[in-house]
Amino acid sequence: QKEVEQNSGPLSVPEGAIASLNCTYSDRGSQSFFWYRQYSGKSPELIMFIYSNGDKEDGRFTAQLNKASQYVSLLIRDSQPSDSATYLCAVAKDYGGSQGNLIFGKGTKLSVKP
Amino acid sequence: DAGVTQSPTHLIKTRGQQVTLRCSPISGHKSVSWYQQVLGQGPQFIFQYYEKEERGRGNFPDRFSARQFPNYSSELNVNALLLGDSALYLCASSSGVFGNTIYFGEGSWLTVV
Repeated sequence: QKEVEQNSGPLSVPEGAIASLNCTYSDRGSQSFFWYRQYSGKSPELIMFIYSNGDKEDGRFTAQLNKASQYVSLLIRDSQPSDSATYLCAVAKDYGGSQGNLIFGKGTKLSVKP
Repeated sequence: DAGVTQSPTHLIKTRGQQVTLRCSPISGHKSVSWYQQVLGQGPQFIFQYYEKEERGRGNFPDRFSARQFPNYSSELNVNALLLGDSALYLCASSSGVFGNTIYFGEGSWLTVV
């Protein structure tokens, strides 16, 4: 079983719709969870992190964490074509992930159609 | 403020050669991590250094080594290059070992032919 699993997609949504990206993880000791966006040929860019069960909102983005189900998701409201990218879910055993050992999923490719 | 800077941005090497990649962290950041991202995969952790000491190592062979300098910059060395080492090598910095998130540089694209 892979440590962090994501549907590779591509996930295609129309402009203005809600995009829902999902991630499951296997290590119950994981403490912090991250969503990165990666445009083709570029490095990952941090979108959000979440430590506690529940929802965390930042602008058009909402991260949801359910530690009991070992599940984390990212919702993107009012999706824009500029949101088209690969979204990487990452998990760390420490708070913040600053120990550097983030475990990444393969990423989900999102395509937002005008 | 400058972000994480990496050099070179692109390079081509031949199998069996050695390569050195360089990274300068964000000013004030003392922790540097290295990741390898093969096409179509997520980044995979290689090393973490904090205050010039190795604090973590991923599942990579001994051909991979790294170090951190007094100014907190870092080098990643890969010996005896294989075709499978072709990847984007990412450096990330953070302010400390505990707490705070990490930020990635633009990466070094290595192609081994």
